[in-house]
Order: sequence, then structure tokens, then C-alpha cells
Amino acid sequence: DIQMTQSPSSLSTSVGDRVTMTCRASQTISNYLNWYQQKPGKAPNLLIYDASNLQSGVPSRFSGSGSGTDFTLTISSLQPEDFATYFCQQSYSTPRTFGQGTKLEIK
Amino acid sequence: EVQLVESGGGLAQPGGSLRLSCAASGFTFNAYWMHWVRQAPGKGLVWVSRIYGDGSTTNYADSVKGRFTISRDNAKNTLYLQMNSLRVEDTAMYYCARGGNSSTRRYFDFWGQGALVTVSS
Repeated sequence: DIQMTQSPSSLSTSVGDRVTMTCRASQTISNYLNWYQQKPGKAPNLLIYDASNLQSGVPSRFSGSGSGTDFTLTISSLQPEDFATYFCQQSYSTPRTFGQGTKLEIK
Repeated sequence: EVQLVESGGGLAQPGGSLRLSCAASGFTFNAYWMHWVRQAPGKGLVWVSRIYGDGSTTNYADSVKGRFTISRDNAKNTLYLQMNSLRVEDTAMYYCARGGNSSTRRYFDFWGQGALVTVSS
């Protein structure tokens, strides 16, 4: 199975900050990397697919980059509604493994 | 509008069984892979199983293989997860999610609201 490792596990940030989080795969996954946002008590929501493609309806302050084993999710200017947990997921092979999550907290 | 609505969650004893359902609407159900993903309380997301659009192919996480069975009824636009020999560690919120309709479309773009399964004596 492909292991996905996210860092950091949590991040204290402020509204307006530029935020970057990373996801590393245990083997190359090409660009088959997706990012999801999850708020407490809610289902995950797709933000970025295939490493860098913005899902329809997702604000342009979200962006993704990377290929191979190393990937990044960036939020250009953090908004109050962005405080949530973010998960990466590889879709290169089955099982479709997720990272452990990065939780954005208010500083 | 795409909608996925899970049902069938509840309390089960260790060794018991439950069947989850996921009613789909707003898209051509039989054209898409469908997946189950679970999340234990306070923990991360864990992929459980998937099924191809015509039901011909299924895959499972090692942790549920031999105990859980995924299936679908395309006439009813409904996905199922039959869970047998339940363990305490199967306690989680179970989400159904829509997968891809081609080899290049592999992400989960729609999710249900979840069904809570609690396994306890």
C-alpha cells in the first residue's frame, strides 16, 4: 500500500495568512493526488484533483502543486471559513490511501 | 443536483451485522465507480471498498476483506455495504462517495452525509 504523510499535523494561523501544507507519498504517484477539506461534523469536500486542478466552485485562493512523491496545498489568504482539516489522498492505486490530515487552527 | 444519502447505521454488537445503503440521484449512477470511506471518532479518513459501475469489479481494504461486501442495485440507484462479523474497531462514520467514470477521473467529487456505525456490547 502507498503511505501518505502530511505535514504539519496542525498549524496555528491567522486570517489573511498565506498557508502551505505538504503531502508526501511513499512511492511515485505521478499527479494522482487529491486534496479534501473537512469541517467538524461534515463530510469531506473535494478542493483539488490531479495535484493542481481546482474543483468547480472552490475559491481561487486554493491551489495545489507537485508531482511524483511531493505535493503542496496552498491557501493564498486564509479566510475564516478555511479553518478546517485538510486531507490528501492518492488515486494512483488501490487502496486509495489518505494522509492523516493537517488541522488549521486559529492563532 | 448530485445527492448521496446514506442510511442503515446504528448500534451493533461485536460479531453482529449491519447493512448500509446509499441512495444516489442526480447523475447516471451505473456510469461511476462508487466507494465507501470510514472515519473513526476523532481520526482520519480510511478507504474501505469500491465497486465498478456495472458491479463486475470490487476491491476491499485488508481490514474488512472477508467480512464486508459491497454491492449495488443500478435499477434502484443504490449502493450497499453489508458488514458482518463486526468488531469494536469498525466503529466509525461511514461515507459513500462518487468516484470516477473513466480511468483518468479518479477523485471523489461527491460525498454523502455519513452513517454512524457503533459496535459495542
